[in-house]
Amino acid sequence: GAVVSQHPSRVICKSGTSVKIECRSLDFQATTMFWYRQFPKKSLMLMATSNEGSKATYEQGVEKDKFLINHASLTLSTLTVTSAHPEDSSFYICSARRDRLNYGYTFGSGTRLTVV
Amino acid sequence: DAKTTQPPSMDCAEGRAANLPCNHSTISGNEYVYWYRQIHSQGPQYIIHGLKNNETNEMASLIITEDRKSSTLILPHATLRDTAVYYCIASGYNQAGTALIFGKGTTLSVSS
Repeated sequence: GAVVSQHPSRVICKSGTSVKIECRSLDFQATTMFWYRQFPKKSLMLMATSNEGSKATYEQGVEKDKFLINHASLTLSTLTVTSAHPEDSSFYICSARRDRLNYGYTFGSGTRLTVV
Repeated sequence: DAKTTQPPSMDCAEGRAANLPCNHSTISGNEYVYWYRQIHSQGPQYIIHGLKNNETNEMASLIITEDRKSSTLILPHATLRDTAVYYCIASGYNQAGTALIFGKGTTLSVSS
C-alpha cells in the first residue's frame, strides 16, 4: 500500500531557531504533497500545497516566509519552520496521493513541534 | 469542496456495528466522499471512499444515498481500537492537486 514517512516524529527547539520536517512517499511518486497543522483538540488545517519542481501554494493567512516548503523530488517534500516561536508549537502533518485513480490520500504520522 | 455535517460525538458498544452519518447536501457530481479517522496524536488513516455506489473493504462499508446528499460509514464490529475521530470529506478527485479539507469530525467512543 501507499506509505508516507514523516520525520522527525517529535522535535523540541529553542526560540529563534529553524526546524526542518521531512515527508517522503516510500513506494509511490507524488507530484503533489500537502502540509497541515493541527492544534490540540482541533481539526487539521491545510497550510499549503507542495508541487514538485515549483513553488508551493499557501493558504490564506499562512506566512510563506515562516513556513518554507521545498518539493525537490517526486518522493520528498520538506517544511522548514524558520525563526520558530512558541506559538509555532503544533502538530504538523503531511499528505500525498498517488497520481492514479482509485487511491485515497495517505498521511504521514505527524511531527510534534515544541518551541521553548 | 462541499461542506459536510457530522454529529460531534457517538458512542458504541464493543462488538456492535458503528454507524456514522454524514450530510453533504451540496455535493457536486464530481466530488467523492472520503472517510478518514485519526487516533490521538497520529496522522489520519484512510478508511474508504466512493462516488455513487456503495463500497466495502476490509475496514468498513460506505453507504451513499441515491441523491448523494448523505452517507453512512459502517464499522461492522467495533473494537476498542476503533475509538477515534472520524472525518467525512467531500472532495473533487480528478485533480491531483486538490487537498482534502477537514471539518470537525465525529468522535467515536467504543466501550466494553
